[in-house]
Amino acid sequence: SQTIHQWPATLVQPVGSPLSLECTVEGTSNPNLYWYRQAAGRGLQLLFYSVGIGQISSEVPQNLSASRPQDRQFILSSKKLLLSDSGFYLCAWKSWARNTDTQYFGPGTRLTVL
Amino acid sequence: QKEVEQDPGPLSVPEGAIVSLNCTYSNSAFQYFMWYRQYSRKGPELLMYTYSSGNKEDGRFTAQVDKSSKYISLFIRDSQPSDSATYLCAMSVSGYNKLIFGAGTRLAVHP
Repeated sequence: SQTIHQWPATLVQPVGSPLSLECTVEGTSNPNLYWYRQAAGRGLQLLFYSVGIGQISSEVPQNLSASRPQDRQFILSSKKLLLSDSGFYLCAWKSWARNTDTQYFGPGTRLTVL
Repeated sequence: QKEVEQDPGPLSVPEGAIVSLNCTYSNSAFQYFMWYRQYSRKGPELLMYTYSSGNKEDGRFTAQVDKSSKYISLFIRDSQPSDSATYLCAMSVSGYNKLIFGAGTRLAVHP
C-alpha cells in the first residue's frame, strides 16, 4: 500500500529564517506530487506540482520554491520566511497507475512564523 | 466568480440527522468529482470519488453528481459525532493535473 510522510509535523520559525519541508511517498512510482497551503479556516491553495524529477510547476508567485530531487521526494523551501507564510502545508500525491484524478494527502506541517 | 462554490457553514446537526453538503461549479468540462473529509489539524482524506454523473453509495455516505445543474452533493445518513469535520469538494477535468477545491463546509454533529 502507499503511504505519504511529511516532516516536521510542526515548526515555529522567526521571520527572515530559511525553511525546508520534506515530503516522501512510499509504495508507488512516478507519482504526481503537490504542495498546498491552507490558511486558518480557509480552503486549499495549490503552491507547486511536479509530474517528474526536476519538473516543477509554480501556481502562485511568492518567496517559496519547490524541488524534486528524487522520484518520490518533494521539498518546499524558502530563503527568508514572511509572517504571511504561516499556515498548514500539505503534500499530496496522485498515481498514474489509477485511472482517476484523486489525490492523497499527507498529515501536514503546521508552520508558525513569528 | 469562483470555479467551485461551497458554503463554509458551520453546519450544526443533532446525532442521527441526515446531512446534506453541496457544491456548485461553473466549468462544464469537470468530469471527476471527489469529497474529502478533514479533521482538525489533520490532512484531508478521500471519502468518495465519482466519475461523470450519477450516484455512488458507500455505507452511510452517498455522493450525487448532477452535471446538467452543475451541482454535487454528499449525503450522510445517521450522522455521528465522529462525522464532525470539514468536508471539501474537489473536481477536475480529465487528464488535467490539478484538482479544484471548494472552500470546505465545517460540520458539527452534537450528541
